[in-house]
Amino acid sequence: EAEVAQSPRYKITEKSQAVAFWCDPISGHATLYWYRQILGQGPELLVQFQDESVVDDSQLPKDRFSAERLKGVDSTLKIQPAELGDSAMYLCASSEHRGNTEAFFGQGTRLTVV
Amino acid sequence: AQKVTQAQTEISVVEKEDVTLDCVYETRDTTYYLFWYKQPPSGELVFLIRRNSFDEQNEISGRYSWNFQKSTSSFNFTITASQVVDSAVYFCALSEAETSYDKVIFGPGTSLSVIP
Repeated sequence: EAEVAQSPRYKITEKSQAVAFWCDPISGHATLYWYRQILGQGPELLVQFQDESVVDDSQLPKDRFSAERLKGVDSTLKIQPAELGDSAMYLCASSEHRGNTEAFFGQGTRLTVV
Repeated sequence: AQKVTQAQTEISVVEKEDVTLDCVYETRDTTYYLFWYKQPPSGELVFLIRRNSFDEQNEISGRYSWNFQKSTSSFNFTITASQVVDSAVYFCALSEAETSYDKVIFGPGTSLSVIP
């Protein structure tokens, strides 16, 4: 069964260090989302791609976060420098096209900043 | 502004009991979608259902059923004869036509524990 792949599953980093997460969506899915989920809360959208273009990054803290999907397939989310408040689960999701008809989520990357 | 409320933070039930998870939403849009997702301990969000705002017909899928009431802005989820495997965090979510349904707003989630 096709699935959204994310790596790493867990990451511990010291504050002020750089950290990166990778996501490989389901093949053929044009729309890719990055969500951040703080413990005990629902996911919040950070950035949405349609193919290689950013559709919405209004909630992305652009002073330290960046995201790219250069070839319109896999995607990388980077944080530099990491802060203690960035500790969270980072979830990637993909859907066949815009409109979130059905988004499929990966297992996420659990980030702990110490 | 759109908003999703799940007033039940945690629920514990004994196996085989029925349980209802509440969801209340706010939106000024007349066209929207409502969702339920399940997040097991493994972390991924599993899509359960999507309901269009024009379709108030209740839906049943096996032991799962959903009650959509526009009059009370609620989209409640019932699990019949709960099982241990149902233990997870359940999220209700909303997306609006105004944002081309791209922006999905999740509720805070309800953690369900089914005790054997």
